[in-house]
Amino acid sequence: GQSLEQPSEVTAVEGAIVQINCTYQTSGFYGLSWYQQHDGGAPTFLSYNALDGLEETGRFSSFLSRSDSYGYLLLQELQMKDSASYFCAVRGATNKLIFGTGTLLAVQP
Amino acid sequence: GAGVSQSPSNKVTEKGKDVELRCDPISGHTALYWYRQSLGQGLEFLIYFQGNSAPDKSGLPSDRFSAERTGGSVSTLTIQRTQQEDSAVYLCASSFEAGYGYTFGSGTRLTVV
Repeated sequence: GQSLEQPSEVTAVEGAIVQINCTYQTSGFYGLSWYQQHDGGAPTFLSYNALDGLEETGRFSSFLSRSDSYGYLLLQELQMKDSASYFCAVRGATNKLIFGTGTLLAVQP
Repeated sequence: GAGVSQSPSNKVTEKGKDVELRCDPISGHTALYWYRQSLGQGLEFLIYFQGNSAPDKSGLPSDRFSAERTGGSVSTLTIQRTQQEDSAVYLCASSFEAGYGYTFGSGTRLTVV
């Protein structure tokens, strides 16, 4: 089967850096994605890693280590608007995304 | 359209009634997915359509749930004989490439009373 683990909650202050980790187990692996969901809103796509290493998109970066079945999302220069839930999701052999349970990020002033 | 459209946005139904939820994906997206999200929880996979292939129904929780996709575009998720545990937000997503870069609709919030 497939399973993903990520912390349930993270708290940080404005301007800080926060890292949200994700470990996964999957039969077949094509890539790890990250999605952001504000309260009451739809999930929106942030990033996708198919190969090992760091992908940077503005203030957000995502890292993947396939040998460790591990990835993380790094958010820099945190802003209040970054308060949201963040989901990692694995694309496995069945070509659909299986989502983790989400990490609720609270950014404090 | 420019995004994924879902209707209705809210649905309150009595236990035992049937409901239909509609999803209109982005034009040209061959992959369409249905997920369910309970309050404060993650996204639970329900069903996946890819082009003209047989759908992946492996996530449907019971035979009360079914879905179809007509003409490779609009999809309808049907829940028969609704139960209170069916109460959740039902999210539809579409993508050009399977398993990558989903665009989600705003969801249908289903409440079974």
